[in-house]
Amino acid sequence: GAVVSQHPSWVICKSGTSVKIECRSLDFQATTMFWYRQFPKQSLMLMATSNEGSKATYEQGVEKDKFLINHASLTLSTLTVTSAHPEDSSFYICSAGSLNTEAFFGQGTRLTVV
Amino acid sequence: SQQGEEDPQALSIQEGENATMNCSYKTSINNLQWYRQNSGRGLVHLILIRSNEREKHSGRLRVTLDTSKKSSSLLITASRAADTASYFCATEGRAAGNKLTFGGGTRVLVKP
Repeated sequence: GAVVSQHPSWVICKSGTSVKIECRSLDFQATTMFWYRQFPKQSLMLMATSNEGSKATYEQGVEKDKFLINHASLTLSTLTVTSAHPEDSSFYICSAGSLNTEAFFGQGTRLTVV
Repeated sequence: SQQGEEDPQALSIQEGENATMNCSYKTSINNLQWYRQNSGRGLVHLILIRSNEREKHSGRLRVTLDTSKKSSSLLITASRAADTASYFCATEGRAAGNKLTFGGGTRVLVKP
């Protein structure tokens, strides 16, 4: 199956700094990618839809100025958590896929803000 | 917001036993998908069942879909310790803009 690679797998950063997470589709072109957030022992909550060449679409309650998404090419979407705070600590996962087919997920990024 | 409710939330069984988990949803769907997640990892696709299908099999996995009841079940037969993971259903439908909406998940522990 298709492969989506997410990097880094974990990151620890100081409060107030920004962190960038990359999501790459390795063997297919993805015009749309999705970013999710997952708290411990909870389900995935969709944060935003990343659209190649245009602005991301954010879900209700997700601050677009805090979670910057860039989808500059058909194989790369990035999520930047700006001015991170401890409450931003979470597991972030990206996915890519087409309508009515399976989605391919990255390995996830564990963000810890200290 | 989550479309699906899964039950049970947690399941503990012995190796060799079958594990069944259920997923209910609220709006009409194009398809329903089941995923597996090992602790701290990404999700792995298991089975996709379309709204016009009633049952699908893949190895030791069996998925059913009842659109009249808006529910689905995942059965894992002859479970193994390696099946220990969280299992999520996800629906794709027009009401959610064709984006995947995940259920709460079922944490399965298979004891050797």
